[in-house]
Amino acid sequence: GAGVSQSPSNKVTEKGKDVELRCDPISGHTALYWYRQSLGQGLEFLIYFQGNSAPDKSGLPSDRFSAERTGGSVSTLTIQRTQQEDSAVYLCASSLNFQETQYFGPGTRLLVL
Amino acid sequence: DQQVKQNSPSLSVQEGRISILNCDYTNSMFDYFLWYKKYPAEGPTFLISISSIKDKNEDGRFTVFLNKSAKHLSLHIVPSQPGDSAVYFCAASARVIQGAQKLVFGQGTRLTINP
Repeated sequence: GAGVSQSPSNKVTEKGKDVELRCDPISGHTALYWYRQSLGQGLEFLIYFQGNSAPDKSGLPSDRFSAERTGGSVSTLTIQRTQQEDSAVYLCASSLNFQETQYFGPGTRLLVL
Repeated sequence: DQQVKQNSPSLSVQEGRISILNCDYTNSMFDYFLWYKKYPAEGPTFLISISSIKDKNEDGRFTVFLNKSAKHLSLHIVPSQPGDSAVYFCAASARVIQGAQKLVFGQGTRLTINP
């Protein structure tokens, strides 16, 4: 079946603009995660959704970052008033439930000028 | 505070030999460990995992060893093949505590297999 998909694959924006990144998880997966990988760094957890439960936002770096998951499927990560330090690869993953292996999408490469 | 560390940013191994990638962790509450492989411009791909109740898990050419007393795990690839050239990430989670697989990743090790 289809894997996790993300769009856009690349995004270049100017400092101060808002951006939206989209994630389509694997069909039937109830858990969805956002991570980011900054240059030379490992993956950093951002936020986690499980079913209809309140999301775990403990990894969001600032209040400029928010995410939602509509209908338990597609998720959007929004970064407001982007800063140059937001430049990174943003990765989405999904799993059958919170106990199972996470499968990653290809990522969105964000560059803030 | 880097809870999961991969101290070797790169490793070069000859084709056919064994590749050994190492990972150390500091959080004693971690009870589940995974290895992911990442090619350029792609997302990480799950390779193999191990629960803290085991000390070894094997899947084909890949074996993961866990030494809980040393808070150390390693991934062995044998024999190494050119297609194994990629960045390898070690990840850990504290399932019991958090009830969720909030993975903590290491910085990655770039493995190059030389023909």
